[in-house]
Amino acid sequence: NAGVTQTPKFQVLKTGQSMTLQCAQDMNHNSMYWYRQDPGMGLRLIYYSASEGTTDKGEVPNGYNVSRLNKREFSLRLESAAPSQTSVYFCASSEASGYTEAFFGQGTRLTVV
Amino acid sequence: TQLLEQSPQFLSIQEGENLTVYCNSSSVFSSLQWYRQEPGEGPVLLVTVVTGGEVKKLKRLTFQFGDARKDSSLHITAAQPGDTGLYLCAGAFVGTSYGKLTFGQGTILTVHP
Repeated sequence: NAGVTQTPKFQVLKTGQSMTLQCAQDMNHNSMYWYRQDPGMGLRLIYYSASEGTTDKGEVPNGYNVSRLNKREFSLRLESAAPSQTSVYFCASSEASGYTEAFFGQGTRLTVV
Repeated sequence: TQLLEQSPQFLSIQEGENLTVYCNSSSVFSSLQWYRQEPGEGPVLLVTVVTGGEVKKLKRLTFQFGDARKDSSLHITAAQPGDTGLYLCAGAFVGTSYGKLTFGQGTILTVHP
């Protein structure tokens, strides 16, 4: 019962460094999402992928890139990390309908110093 | 940008008290979901409401969807320490697709024994 798996769970970066957050789901969902969570701001959508081979910007895409590698995997890349990107990042997956449940990973706590 | 306002941001109550959390928008939702999040974990779905005026109950939790589908509330009766956590509302606005959700800021609930 893995569901949505994110790696790593914790990461500390120096300003300007790059890294990729990995996400994989085993529920055969079409849609996958990357959110960031900051205190008092709920979850904000960074990028999403409605289906394999497509990606679109969400509410806060600047400074990030994504790759939908296949139906299972959706990665988030920070090319040049900035302190403003310190946050907790969540990957989620769901069926395409807005009525269905979004399943979340356990999150990646990223600190940029 | 379609906004979803959630209130209050913090609630600290004694065991046995009742509480209500509100979620409001100026735009119409096609559906609205309530999630609960524990520290170090991703959000987990509690309920989805779709029809205006809909009321759903989950043990001591009662969820209402406004007649105009612009607002929702979560009412907890006789709160228990196990109800402590972060509660998030998330709406799929009319006209959006692919399961894109807009989250409220969240309500941090603490129930003291």
